[in-house]
Amino acid sequence: SQQGEEDPQALSIQEGENATMNCSYKTSINNLQWYRQNSGRGLVHLILIRSNEREKHSGRLRVTLDTSKKSSSLLITASRAADTASYFCATLEYGNKLVFGAGTILRVKS
Amino acid sequence: DSGVTQTPKHLITATGQRVTLRCSPRSGDLSVYWYQQSLDQGLQFLIQYYNGEERAKGNILERFSAQQFPDLHSELNLSSLELGDSALYFCASGGGVVGNTIYFGEGSWLTVV
Repeated sequence: SQQGEEDPQALSIQEGENATMNCSYKTSINNLQWYRQNSGRGLVHLILIRSNEREKHSGRLRVTLDTSKKSSSLLITASRAADTASYFCATLEYGNKLVFGAGTILRVKS
Repeated sequence: DSGVTQTPKHLITATGQRVTLRCSPRSGDLSVYWYQQSLDQGLQFLIQYYNGEERAKGNILERFSAQQFPDLHSELNLSSLELGDSALYFCASGGGVVGNTIYFGEGSWLTVV
């Protein structure tokens, strides 16, 4: 079963613009992790945010977490064509299961 | 390179057959996770092992089984294969400490014909 629901399902932007993806989940979590997947390839870990954190940065990535709303957002600033990929949020439940959402397909046009 | 190694990368087999997918976790990681990714089901958690013992179970079919060996590598066995089992199977590993980052391998593409 999938816990996270990503929004939007697909996003198309111009190079240089910012991309924001949202994720909602249902149960209590230990942490939330964001991954990127290029077509047919493996999942690349981007960033982890713990349940007691509200915001985290890594390079051009900014992640927020609102546990009261059970939601998270991933912001990619100054997007590049190479950022074109599918992005998934995954929540680590206290039973130690890492559960994925359906993902957002991001297309960055050059 | 995540440090998680999966073999084989691609596999084509016939319905009714059995295959074994192998995973070597990152050095030092005690936990291994298996996932199935298909177009219609997305990324589905199958099972997790920690230091040789089953820790969590997800949507794993009875025709599928897994184990983690003393050297911490893991195998996912898929039997009585059906066309619908065609998917990308991922292995992931983590330190086993709740809250650690979980890293994924490149996956094994299984095509059942």
